[in-house]
Amino acid sequence: EVQVVESGGGLVKPGESLRLSCAASGFTSSDVWMGWVRQAPGKGLEWVGRIKSKPSGGTTDFTAPVKGRFTISRDESTNTLFLQMNSLKTEDTAVYYCATSRTTAGAFDIWGQGTMVTVSS
Amino acid sequence: DIVMTQTPLSSPVTLGQPASISCRSSQSLVHSDGNTYLSWLQQRPGQPPRLLIYKISNRFSGVPDRFSGSGAGTDFTLKISRVEAEDVGVYYCMHATQFPYTFGQGTKLEI
Repeated sequence: EVQVVESGGGLVKPGESLRLSCAASGFTSSDVWMGWVRQAPGKGLEWVGRIKSKPSGGTTDFTAPVKGRFTISRDESTNTLFLQMNSLKTEDTAVYYCATSRTTAGAFDIWGQGTMVTVSS
Repeated sequence: DIVMTQTPLSSPVTLGQPASISCRSSQSLVHSDGNTYLSWLQQRPGQPPRLLIYKISNRFSGVPDRFSGSGAGTDFTLKISRVEAEDVGVYYCMHATQFPYTFGQGTKLEI
């Protein structure tokens, strides 16, 4: 089955770090563009960052609120995508979704169930 | 950043009746490759987003044909020909023409 499954969420204090994982199955994650989208409680969807496929260079981009604090990486051996979140702020509290553009260029067709990150003192 | 503006933000609908959501972008979504990377996603209560439409008007696999997308440039529309109970949720337009990708604010469809 083609799917992505996020894990790693939890409760952390402001200034702390957390690493989210996105395990891909049914496809090779390095062959596709992938990204992280978050949704604060009761709010809309917000892009966090994306990583291009390996054939497209594998580079990453981030939105302004997280630039310099978050990084995205891949482990090809485990077909897993990571979101490393440093210097967390209370406003980073959200459900974090992993998404992939597997069959539709320019659209994200596979979404995980999400993992909740709460930043609170 | 490209700003995506959806209207209405809330849409009471009647089962079996049509519904329409508009999405306007602050600049053209035509990519240098000639494609327009405008998609529509549905988020049912308590669920992750689900892709409905990509590149303006292409229905994703498994999406019922009562959903259709149209538009060009900066103005786009999602239409549901006959609303069913399972269509309740929030609908988002999203562009992926350049990073940062952005979503509209979301339109809540309620019966």
